[in-house]
Amino acid sequence: AQKVTQAQTEISVVEKEDVTLDCVYETRDTTYYLFWYKQPPSGELVFLIRRNSFDEQNEISGRYSWNFQKSTSSFNFTITASQVVDSAVYFCALSEAPQNAGNNRKLIWGLGTSLAVNP
Amino acid sequence: ETGVTQTPRHLVMGMTNKKSLKCEQHLGHNAMYWYKQSAKKPLELMFVYNFKEQTENNSVPSRFSPECPNSSHLFLHLHTLQPEDSALYLCASSFDRVPYEQYFGPGTRLTVT
Repeated sequence: AQKVTQAQTEISVVEKEDVTLDCVYETRDTTYYLFWYKQPPSGELVFLIRRNSFDEQNEISGRYSWNFQKSTSSFNFTITASQVVDSAVYFCALSEAPQNAGNNRKLIWGLGTSLAVNP
Repeated sequence: ETGVTQTPRHLVMGMTNKKSLKCEQHLGHNAMYWYKQSAKKPLELMFVYNFKEQTENNSVPSRFSPECPNSSHLFLHLHTLQPEDSALYLCASSFDRVPYEQYFGPGTRLTVT
């Protein structure tokens, strides 16, 4: 069964600290996609990154970096030198290739990690 | 307008009212989604439309009635709601092909009194 686990419910850090948000997934398939979304207090979910199962290269975008490890079924997200504007709920999600998902276009969502960055 | 827009942003309605939520996407996508997000609960997928056809209904009560007149517009008609229906309702869209990367609107914060 497909499942996404974000074990950290809430994290609180002080500005400029580095913080890592964990995401562990379960899937039966060899072809799948992983996502991170950010939900600031305004409510809109903002797409951050997509990674497919065949690309294990880590990704860096400014202060954000992602570590994809198939061996541990993890897709962790690190914010370097956190800022108050990073305060949000962060969601990890999984989708599978259509031949496995059938007509199911669902993303399987984690419960989210609420990050508070304090000045 | 760009991206995915939703109106209204906030809605307060009584249990006997009828109202509609509107979503419009300007991304050229062909699949649209309604989600419900309640406090302390995971995101709940309600409905999926693909090329205007409903492809998923996750056992949503009939007091929620979706409508998708074309690939750019999605409505959620509400009637005789319950207080537990108070939540953030999010609309999203995507292309109908892998990886089904979804883009979201800002949501409608609904309060049922």
